[in-house]
Amino acid sequence: AQSVTQPDIHITVSEGASLELRCNYSYGATPYLFWYVQSPGQGLQLLLKYFSGDTLVQGIKGFEAEFKRSQSSFNLRKPSVHWSDAAEYFCAVGPLMDSSYKLIFGSGTRLLVRP
Amino acid sequence: DAGVTQSPTHLIKTRGQQVTLRCSPKSGHDTVSWYQQALGQGPQFIFQYYEEEERQRGNFPDRFSGHQFPNYSSELNVNALLLGDSALYLCASSLWGQTSLDTQYFGPGTRLTVL
Repeated sequence: AQSVTQPDIHITVSEGASLELRCNYSYGATPYLFWYVQSPGQGLQLLLKYFSGDTLVQGIKGFEAEFKRSQSSFNLRKPSVHWSDAAEYFCAVGPLMDSSYKLIFGSGTRLLVRP
Repeated sequence: DAGVTQSPTHLIKTRGQQVTLRCSPKSGHDTVSWYQQALGQGPQFIFQYYEEEERQRGNFPDRFSGHQFPNYSSELNVNALLLGDSALYLCASSLWGQTSLDTQYFGPGTRLTVL
């Protein structure tokens, strides 16, 4: 069965420190992978996506993610966290048809930022 | 350029009642997907509409139904509400056939509380 696992429910980092959020997936074919961020009372905003090609993907707000097929992982990283990055982060995987999106989401990781 | 809009923002219903949620897609988008996000969980795919037809469906009972109008807006209907239907309902829009080129945009959601 297709699934996404985000093993960390909460992560706390100090402002200015580096960040890595983990994501592991189970999917039978070449996956399409996404990271979304959700601030309180807000919808989901796409940070970055991987379809094919270079396994290191750059996104908005200084985020990047690396696809590692051998580890079935797509971890999100940021070299220096800002207080405004505090939010919930979701990893998602397609079963992506050519025509449309249908995403499977992980349960999320809540990021807390210490001043 | 308006993004995805949803109404109402919040809704309180009692068990057994019926509810209708509304979504207007981002300008230029023709495909609408609905997701249910329970507290502390990631979003779960309910169904998707394109050309006024349901194209894909997740693992949700028939109590969940939808509709898409000629202007691409969409409604989600839930009958015989259960306590477990309490959740944030997210609408997402995209452009059919352009998944590798375009992005799926999410609305802010409707918070449904069933008492």
